[in-house]
Amino acid sequence: ILNVEQSPQSLHVQEGDSTNFTCSFPSSNFYALHWYRWETAKSPEALFVMTLNGDEKKKGRISATLNTKEGYSYLYIKGSQPEDSATYLCAYSGGSNYKLTFGKGTLLTVNP
Amino acid sequence: NAGVTQTPKFRVLKTGQSMTLLCAQDMNHEYMYWYRQDPGMGLRLIHYSVGEGTTAKGEVPDGYNVSRLKKQNFLLGLESAAPSQTSVYFCASTGASGGPGDTQYFGPGTRLTVL
Repeated sequence: ILNVEQSPQSLHVQEGDSTNFTCSFPSSNFYALHWYRWETAKSPEALFVMTLNGDEKKKGRISATLNTKEGYSYLYIKGSQPEDSATYLCAYSGGSNYKLTFGKGTLLTVNP
Repeated sequence: NAGVTQTPKFRVLKTGQSMTLLCAQDMNHEYMYWYRQDPGMGLRLIHYSVGEGTTAKGEVPDGYNVSRLKKQNFLLGLESAAPSQTSVYFCASTGASGGPGDTQYFGPGTRLTVL
């Protein structure tokens, strides 16, 4: 059983705050690490896919880093806005496996 | 393109009834997946398919069957529904190459309640 752990489980911040969450995953047989954004009553939407150690991806105010040797990824949100409120999921893919193992997510609430 | 669609959106069943959930994608994706989402549990893989005519078990396959007779459709069946199968079901598909680095595209979900 693969363990993908996300922390914190939930987070409340004020508008304008910057924040970050952690995803930890098995460091062996690594192939890819995915981040998804999941708003209530909607489908998960892809943010980033990272495959190389040291990868950094950025989309607007959101960025992510990857450390495959120690098995963790950080997601950063700069200057949080209420519309950033969502659950952020990470998912790990190992080896030639076509399956993703998801973490339980971090629920972010941004208060105006 | 509609992307990934799921029918129905909502369903209420009685224990022991059967039903089929339909997932359809118009992106010519080889790989399709069924997940269930329960509070505090995240997304868990039920079954998946790596191509037309093929299926495989995921993390929580018991009580479910699947079929992939056409490339664009992936059906999830419950032969005898149980209250433990009350959940939100998501279908997903992934790109033509199907590699583990490909983004999965999700449908809108089906909320199933088993009484």
